[in-house]
Amino acid sequence: RKEVEQDPGPFNVPEGATVAFNCTYSNSASQSFFWYRQDCRKEPKLLMSVYSSGNEDGRFTAQLNRASQYISLLIRDSKLSDSATYLCVFTGNQFYFGTGTSLTVIP
Amino acid sequence: DAGVIQSPRHEVTEMGQEVTLRCKPISGHDYLFWYRQTMMRGLELLIYFNNNVPIDDSGMPEDRFSAKMPNASFSTLKIQPSEPRDSAVYFCASSPRGATHQPQHFGDGTRLSIL
Repeated sequence: RKEVEQDPGPFNVPEGATVAFNCTYSNSASQSFFWYRQDCRKEPKLLMSVYSSGNEDGRFTAQLNRASQYISLLIRDSKLSDSATYLCVFTGNQFYFGTGTSLTVIP
Repeated sequence: DAGVIQSPRHEVTEMGQEVTLRCKPISGHDYLFWYRQTMMRGLELLIYFNNNVPIDDSGMPEDRFSAKMPNASFSTLKIQPSEPRDSAVYFCASSPRGATHQPQHFGDGTRLSIL
């Protein structure tokens, strides 16, 4: 079983839509959780950390469900500039990256 | 503040040649990571260092790959001899103390093409 499972998409949504991604992890001892964003031909960049109680940063909301071992990312009021690949990350002894979910926001 | 600096940005070379990728981590970061990214396999951790010491190299695909960190501000990833299947984007990342709880900062990557 893979350490991290992530729906690759692609997700194609109209501007203004709400979209959500999930990511499951197999290691129940995972300690830290992050969402990264990667633009085409660029490096991954930290989007936000994911805290146990859930956290919000503007239009972005991240949640953690330890019982079911998944994290989620919700993007409200999608913008064209949100088009990118979103990578989930879990940590145990090292960082485990998901393969990424591709999002395209359509005008 | 300077981020993680990688060189070269692009490398095209013939099969069998030696390839050396370079990385300068963010000053003060104790951890340094080397990743490889392909469409098929996504982002794969190759090796990581803590305070210049290799901690986990289980991701290094073969003996043709080697990595060193002679000091806190420099690391190399070497492929010898290179093969076409090594073509990928290679990223270096660094993070501060307590790496498993701290996010990583990535360099721009080296786009490697082996002909």
